Order: sequence, then structure tokens, then C-alpha cells
Amino acid sequence: GAVVSQHPSWVICKSGTSVKIECRSLDFQATTMFWYRQFPKQSLMLMATSNEGSKATYEQGVEKDKFLINHASLTLSTLTVTSAHPEDSSFYICSARGVPNSYNEQFFGPGTRLTVL
Amino acid sequence: AQKVTQAQTEISVVEKEDVTLDCVYETRDTTYYLFWYKQPPSGELVFLIRRNSFDEQNEISGRYSWNFQKSTSSFNFTITASQVVDSAVYFCALKRGYGQNFVFGPGTRLSVLP
Repeated sequence: GAVVSQHPSWVICKSGTSVKIECRSLDFQATTMFWYRQFPKQSLMLMATSNEGSKATYEQGVEKDKFLINHASLTLSTLTVTSAHPEDSSFYICSARGVPNSYNEQFFGPGTRLTVL
Repeated sequence: AQKVTQAQTEISVVEKEDVTLDCVYETRDTTYYLFWYKQPPSGELVFLIRRNSFDEQNEISGRYSWNFQKSTSSFNFTITASQVVDSAVYFCALKRGYGQNFVFGPGTRLSVLP
């Protein structure tokens, strides 16, 4: 099956710093990538949708200036949490849509656990 | 609007018991896709099953089975003879179609006790 990786798998940072999370499709081209956020003991909520070469579309309530998304290539999307604060501590998961074998396939990365001190 | 409800927040069973996780969904689309994912403590989502709205056949995979009923907008998941390794959070999810995002239910935390 298709593989999506995320880097780093976990990160701890100080309040006020910026953190970049990478999402890569390893064996297929991902025209669309989705970023989800999961707070402890809660469900996954869509943050934004990114299409290669265009601006990301953010869900209501998600600050686009705080969560910068760049989908510069068909295999890489990055999420940068700018000026992170403790309330941004969460599990961030990406999913990638491509056509590795059949239609409507979408694959999740393993997630990145962000802790802001 | 699309919505997925998993009424059971937490379930505890003793090993070898059967357990059913409920999922009810809402959508106005005629074409949609339903999923179940398992999320162990590591956090990585493990794909279990995908069903499209035109396929109401029940499915069995080993100890797992799924009951899809469009009449009640339900897509329930049963684990037969549960094992400790089944302990995890299980998410039911809905997707409108090609290229669309997932809408997840709140999840059900299953604890299987030895």
C-alpha cells in the first residue's frame, strides 16, 4: 500500500518558537494533502486542505497566519506552527490523496506529537 | 452537513467477549464512503475497512465484522472473541467522495481486560 511519512514524529518546543512538520508521500504523487489536529482524548478535526501549487484552504476557526501550510511539490506538504503556545500542543496528522492504485484512496501519516512548554 | 456519531465513549469488556461499536452517520449525499480506523496508544491510524454507499453487504474479516444499514444510517463494528490487543480507540469516519476530507466520529475507547 501507499506510504505517507511525517517528520518529526514528536517535538517539544518552547513557547514562542516556530515548528515545522513535514508530510511526505513516499511512493505516489499526492495532489491533495489534508492536515488534521487531535487534542488529547478527542477526535480528529480537519484543519486545512492543501493542493499542490496553490494556497491552502483553512477550516473555520483555524488561523491561517498561525498555521502556515506549503504544498510545494507533489510529494511534500509542510505545516508550520508559528509562535507556538501551550494550547497548540496536539497530535497533528496528515493524509494524502493520490492515485497509487485505485480511486478514492487516501492515506494517513503516522502523526506528529507537538508539546509546547 | 455531514456528521458521525459514536454514542459509546468508552467500553470495557473481558477478554473473549464479543463487543459491538456503534456508528451513526448523517449525510445528504447519495454517494459517500464509510470507514473504521483503529488508533492504538502510538497514535497511528490503522485502516480497518472502507464501504461505499452502494454496497450494503455485510463484511467479515477474521474476528471483525461490519453491519452497514442505510435505512438506519448505521455502520456498526463487531469484534468477536475480543483480545487484549484490541484495546484502542476506534473511529468511524465518513467521506463524501474522491478528494474530500474525512469527517470523524468522536471515537470509542475500547478496553479489553484479561
